[in-house]
Amino acid sequence: EVQLVESGGGLVQPGGSLRLSCAASGFTFSSYEMNWVRQAPGKGLEWVSYISSSGSTIYYADSVKGRFTISRDNAKNSLYLQMNSLRAEDTAVYYCARSGVVLAPHDAFDIWGQGTMVTVSS
Amino acid sequence: EIVLTQSPDFQSVTPKEKVTITCRASQSIGSSLHWYQQKPDQSPKLLIKYASQSISGVPSRFSGSGSGTDFTLTINSLEAEDAAAYYCHQSSSLPYTFGQGTKLEIK
Repeated sequence: EVQLVESGGGLVQPGGSLRLSCAASGFTFSSYEMNWVRQAPGKGLEWVSYISSSGSTIYYADSVKGRFTISRDNAKNSLYLQMNSLRAEDTAVYYCARSGVVLAPHDAFDIWGQGTMVTVSS
Repeated sequence: EIVLTQSPDFQSVTPKEKVTITCRASQSIGSSLHWYQQKPDQSPKLLIKYASQSISGVPSRFSGSGSGTDFTLTINSLEAEDAAAYYCHQSSSLPYTFGQGTKLEIK
């Protein structure tokens, strides 16, 4: 079964750090682009970050640039999001989502994880 | 950044009704527009990709159309299980963006 499972969420104080993980299974992880998308409570979806299949190309939303770092370990079938200098406005459910492959890049997000909640509060 | 504007924000509809949700892009995105359904406390689910391509396992009552800047998601003969939020998403250029969402309520 094709699956993405996030972990690492929790309660953190403003200014703190957290590292999210996304474990992939059921498909050739190293062939796919990956993304992080977040959703604040009661709000819509916000794209956060993109990483190419090899990890050589990375993009961030302006709202997290300089504070968040996306990475992947294709040998471990895992995607990560290192979040530093966290703010109250970063409070959200964070989803990892699969998108395109080398021959068909920048595709729709066809597989999503169940999400992990990050709460930034003192 | 490409801005996607959906309309309406909210719609209350009766079963078997036909529903149309629109998504307008701030600049041309070709057909790189995708639609998702999100039910309460669930992850988003891909409904339509590249404006009009159907997705395996998605009921045939869901269809999409459009290109350039104007896109439409149509739900024919609405069912009670279609109560959800619907989002459009563009992958034409980074940063990727989503529409603000349309919430469908079933009367």
